[in-house]
Amino acid sequence: LAKTTQPISMDSYEGQEVNITCSHNNIATNDYITWYQQFPSQGPRFIIQGYKTKVTNEVASLFIPADRKSSTLSLPRVSLSDTAVYYCLVGDPAGNMLTFGGGTRLMVKP
Amino acid sequence: GAVVSQHPSWVICKSGTSVKIECRSLDFQATTMFWYRQFPKQSLMLMATSNEGSKATYEQGVEKDKFLINHASLTLSTLTVTSAHPEDSSFYICSASSPVSGRDYEQYFGPGTRLTVT
Repeated sequence: LAKTTQPISMDSYEGQEVNITCSHNNIATNDYITWYQQFPSQGPRFIIQGYKTKVTNEVASLFIPADRKSSTLSLPRVSLSDTAVYYCLVGDPAGNMLTFGGGTRLMVKP
Repeated sequence: GAVVSQHPSWVICKSGTSVKIECRSLDFQATTMFWYRQFPKQSLMLMATSNEGSKATYEQGVEKDKFLINHASLTLSTLTVTSAHPEDSSFYICSASSPVSGRDYEQYFGPGTRLTVT
């Protein structure tokens, strides 16, 4: 299973764009990259998933370079409610196994 | 999107007793369900993977005789913590996997169950 490395914590201010980068040097050909958000005492919530290049949805963008050894989650104009832990996961969706790394604790300040 | 529920949301039990936690996929059939454990300020740790109608596959270090997993149907999996001890106090989260058009598979997580063993 591909191991992921993320910053332990990040601080930001309301209205700013936040970029969280995840390293996954040994990503396999069949692996997808998925990001989850978790609030205290809640289950993780799906944010975005991608395989290569750029993916955008209504809440975030995911940038994946050609070598796929890293990925960056971009949260536009964060608010206080975006304060949470963000997990980058790499795995083969067909294999259905997701290994959680340490996650990044994002603190959004007013 | 798909919804996964867990019951109970929190439970307090005495040391030595057993506790059952249910995980249900409410509006889809889950081919595979996963059980995670999360201690305070830590990441989720996968405990076991279960497929409907077959025995669960446990991760290394997880005692299968202590954490009994039953996946009786495509919408229900249960985790029973037997002879619970205070060190079993944790946040238990289940997830269910289902094929999603255009995105292969996606895992849907339940809200978690807070277990406190006194």
